Amino acid sequence: DAGVIQSPRHEVTEMGQEVTLRCKPISGHDYLFWYRQTMMRGLELLIYFNNNVPIDDSGMPEDRFSAKMPNASFSTLKIQPSEPRDSAVYFCASSFRSGGFPGNTIYFGEGSWLTVV
Amino acid sequence: TQLLEQSPQFLSIQEGENLTVYCNSSSVFSSLQWYRQEPGEGPVLLVTVVTGGEVKKLKRLTFQFGDARKDSSLHITAAQPGDTGLYLCAARNTGGFKTIFGAGTRLFVKA
Repeated sequence: DAGVIQSPRHEVTEMGQEVTLRCKPISGHDYLFWYRQTMMRGLELLIYFNNNVPIDDSGMPEDRFSAKMPNASFSTLKIQPSEPRDSAVYFCASSFRSGGFPGNTIYFGEGSWLTVV
Repeated sequence: TQLLEQSPQFLSIQEGENLTVYCNSSSVFSSLQWYRQEPGEGPVLLVTVVTGGEVKKLKRLTFQFGDARKDSSLHITAAQPGDTGLYLCAARNTGGFKTIFGAGTRLFVKA
């Protein structure tokens, strides 16, 4: 079975450029998460969706960041304009809520390694 | 803001030694999970605990959820180089699906 698929795997861009990260969740999953990981701050939740609707975007650092989920099989995280401090690994993850079980597994993609110079 | 504090941040041990890492919070959680992350990959789930006082074993790994559902520990017996990685605890609050992660414990097991 295909896992969570992210693209690009690596991106190097210049400060001020627009960056778009893409994610295809596991088919049938109804939750999608975007996380950012750095050595200093660890793994931070940026935003998550349920059935394509953003539920909590309180982790989005500022207006330069935006995320969309136009359908159940695709999501984007956009940074415009990018800054050097945005350099990090961005993970997309998905999950399926089974009944009332509170501990469903979150499946992560391999991450998009972003470097802004 | 709910925070998960993990300790120690870094641990370097010899093969065959035992170790325990901790995950603590002031908040009560409906579930707590442990993930392991290897370089260049995303975290992978090891275990989920949902009941206060629960103990789960996965081969040489023993996981415990505190009675008050605020903390957890992971004990590894006879560590092996293959156990090397970043161990992350994650928690979800009651009634929600928002999942937050601790900063992790980076474990290095020397042969």
